[in-house]
Amino acid sequence: QSVLTQPPSASGTPGQSITISCSGSSSNIGNNLVDWYQQLPGTAPRLLIHSNNQRSSGVPGRFSGSKSGTSAYLTISGLQSEDEADYYCAAWDDSLSGRGLFGGGTKLTVL
Amino acid sequence: QVQLVESGGGVVHPGNSLRLSCAASGFMFNRRGMHWVRQPPGKGLEWVAVTSLDGFNEYYADSVRGRFTVSRDNSKNTMYLQMNRLTTDDTAVYYCARGGGSMTTQTFFEDWGQGVLVTVSS
Repeated sequence: QSVLTQPPSASGTPGQSITISCSGSSSNIGNNLVDWYQQLPGTAPRLLIHSNNQRSSGVPGRFSGSKSGTSAYLTISGLQSEDEADYYCAAWDDSLSGRGLFGGGTKLTVL
Repeated sequence: QVQLVESGGGVVHPGNSLRLSCAASGFMFNRRGMHWVRQPPGKGLEWVAVTSLDGFNEYYADSVRGRFTVSRDNSKNTMYLQMNRLTTDDTAVYYCARGGGSMTTQTFFEDWGQGVLVTVSS
């Protein structure tokens, strides 16, 4: 059970917009920056969004991130077939000795 | 361009040890924190450990603290992960990742290696 909670799956049709949520607490998302990663099958993860809402170099403008309180959100506008992948949120957690955290991941299917 | 190349993976018996290496190139290695992240087969990502840019500070996931040690040799542009008392739960692909910001304590992983498989099995 991950400390950062994501829906295990999401789906949409080409052209639609979808939002993936990531819920945490005051010791992680509430007090630290949130990052988002995309992982295509059989490949290493790729940074999409860092510092809550900053797109990484080369990431299309249809990907955006936001944060409100202890939750963060990844929105994909104008869904494309190549967006079918696993998506993970991540944040530092200040509890105990300090540690990095990932959400459990959301598998996005483009119908 | 940035390159991160992991090595040292393989099959090991429970209770034994293994050391992973991550050779870095294409950036100022001593200016970035470096992380290990792992992914068990068919499962999600798990952050494992980080070493600060100067190697003086380290943080660990609860699941590996006391068994794993992260270190770096800035003269060789290489990071290491010494894994002791391995269990079957440590079976995973291990990725090294370059910290993207100025702080050690963040999950901004700007670049990733291709990963190396560690299998713990009797």
